[in-house]
Amino acid sequence: AAGVIQSPRHLIKEKRETATLKCYPIPRHDTVYWYQQGPGQDPQFLISFYEKMQSDKGSIPDRFSAQQFSDYHSELNMSSLELGDSALYFCASSPRQAFYGYTFGSGTRLTVV
Amino acid sequence: RKEVEQDPGPFNVPEGATVAFNCTYSNSASQSFFWYRQDCRKEPKLLMSVYSSGNEDGRFTAQLNRASQYISLLIRDSKLSDSATYLCVVNIGPGGSYIPTFGRGTSLIVHP
Repeated sequence: AAGVIQSPRHLIKEKRETATLKCYPIPRHDTVYWYQQGPGQDPQFLISFYEKMQSDKGSIPDRFSAQQFSDYHSELNMSSLELGDSALYFCASSPRQAFYGYTFGSGTRLTVV
Repeated sequence: RKEVEQDPGPFNVPEGATVAFNCTYSNSASQSFFWYRQDCRKEPKLLMSVYSSGNEDGRFTAQLNRASQYISLLIRDSKLSDSATYLCVVNIGPGGSYIPTFGRGTSLIVHP
């Protein structure tokens, strides 16, 4: 069965550089969520999209932006990267009401050096 | 105070043991509840949804207590492969938001 696809799997960037993470949700899932997970931490909600519109906003820094495109894939754009941005970034998708839970992608491991 | 609270553990148990985790949530309007399993450096994977009447899937049993605002996960006959972090996930639903809110996770270590 198709899963949530994230790319790239690993990314190394220098401070003050920019990064773009991509997420391809499960077909017919209309909602996408982005999470940041630091070492030993629980996933922290960043932002979500429903039907290509921003739905909810969490602890996403102003340096980050995201959007969902017409084919429902989403991109998280991160600028002026800081060392503290090093983390696992997960994307999850679900139907809107998520009665049956959420499916996560394998994540992008971002390392800022 | 976090919206979803879990004992981080670790719970260190021998193979074959029965172990139970609890998770409390603060928003009484919460509507959907899930247990996820996360292995080190991997994505969270859905273990089971938690229904009002309680539900069982093999060695795993989940229960919901709305009055006390907690959910539980019981694992019977623990296997080495059950070693992982178990994340409690809650969403409020249409009255608030469908955003999955995570607990910090409970670490389980099953040893021979």
